[in-house]
Amino acid sequence: KQEVTQIPAALSVPEGENLVLNCSFTDSAIYNLQWFRQDPGKGLTSLLLIQSSQREQTSGRLNASLDKSSGRSTLYIAASQPGDSATYLCAVSRTSGTYKYIFGTGTRLKVLA
Amino acid sequence: DGGITQSPKYLFRKEGQNVTLSCEQNLNHDAMYWYRQDPGQGLRLIYYSQIVNDFQKGDIAEGYSVSREKKESFPLTVTSAQKNPTAFYLCASSMYRDRNEQFFGPGTRLTVL
Repeated sequence: KQEVTQIPAALSVPEGENLVLNCSFTDSAIYNLQWFRQDPGKGLTSLLLIQSSQREQTSGRLNASLDKSSGRSTLYIAASQPGDSATYLCAVSRTSGTYKYIFGTGTRLKVLA
Repeated sequence: DGGITQSPKYLFRKEGQNVTLSCEQNLNHDAMYWYRQDPGQGLRLIYYSQIVNDFQKGDIAEGYSVSREKKESFPLTVTSAQKNPTAFYLCASSMYRDRNEQFFGPGTRLTVL
């Protein structure tokens, strides 16, 4: 059974710092991996999607990498800003069949001005 | 604007009542999903549908029901059989034949009085 873990559960950093969020999964047979941002009381916003054949994706100050063999993905945020404060979730979808997503519990990020 | 809408934003239910949460999308996505989010936990899949007139149970389907009569709509009914329905409910959709990137609605917060 696929399990997704995100460590740490919470993180506080000063503004301007580069930071890395981690996502681990137990079954390397995935279709893709998606990173989301969630603000309090809101829905999820898709940040980056990495397909199983890809190693990384970039969007602005965000870079996500995928290492299927080790069951890990990282989300790199460059030059963090107070507006980046949110909960970041990763989710993996299974190969073939149903394409359901399994979510981690998230990392709650606070960027201090 | 293309997107996913959920209504209502807040919903209050008395014990023993059934309530229906609305989810509509105009993204022309084939697949739609319902998730439940509780504090400190990741998203848990309730039901999903990959095509009109077909749907499958997720991990926590007991006490819930759905229908998929139109491609654009995937309403969720929370029945009186659901023992602990107070939670944040999120609807999502994806074009699963493509990258299967999931997009989310703004959520409905259900409180049982």
